Amino acid sequence: GNSVTQMEGPVTLSEEAFLTINCTYTATGYPSLFWYVQYPGEGLQLLLKATKADDKGSNKGFEATYRKETTSFHLEKGSVQVSDSAVYFCARTSGGGADGLTFGKGTHLIIQP
Amino acid sequence: DAGVIQSPRHEVTEMGQEVTLRCKPISGHDYLFWYRQTMMRGLELLIYFNNNVPIDDSGMPEDRFSAKMPNASFSTLKIQPSEPRDSAVYFCASSLGDSFNQPQHFGDGTRLSIL
Repeated sequence: GNSVTQMEGPVTLSEEAFLTINCTYTATGYPSLFWYVQYPGEGLQLLLKATKADDKGSNKGFEATYRKETTSFHLEKGSVQVSDSAVYFCARTSGGGADGLTFGKGTHLIIQP
Repeated sequence: DAGVIQSPRHEVTEMGQEVTLRCKPISGHDYLFWYRQTMMRGLELLIYFNNNVPIDDSGMPEDRFSAKMPNASFSTLKIQPSEPRDSAVYFCASSLGDSFNQPQHFGDGTRLSIL
């Protein structure tokens, strides 16, 4: 079936560092791609999305570009803050006529002051 | 605006007991999803509904799990009988339209512990 693979965590960075969290997806069909963020004790919140190749999603300083040639959707931010500490999930639409999402296992990001 | 509301937030019960998790989606949303989150398996889609009708329940682990959506504003996920391996955080999410274009809005989850 379809799957999403993202880098293992935890990822620990200092404040103002550059962030990249890698995500790749299986190339079946023409999925939409998403990044969700989960803060402690809360549900997931949509961070950004892209619905077709070469689209760039952006929000709160985070960006990700839908790369069909490399089946990737890496999350980047130029200067992270302590408040960005959370778990980040990459996801794709499940495909095959299904309306759900297939999530990666999540990457725990820790930003130190 | 009220988001997706789940209850209870925490549930601790002994194995063999029936567990019922509840979800109120965002008003007007026509899709409702149930997910399970564990350290080992991550976030898994269990079942989803469109206009109160179950569309795909292939993620439901076994017959002990059942889900219903009697109306547009309420859904339940039931486990009977419960087992320790069912311990997880269960999330409900809703969306207006399918996942291709529309974001899913998640509740805060129910943390379930089966002793």
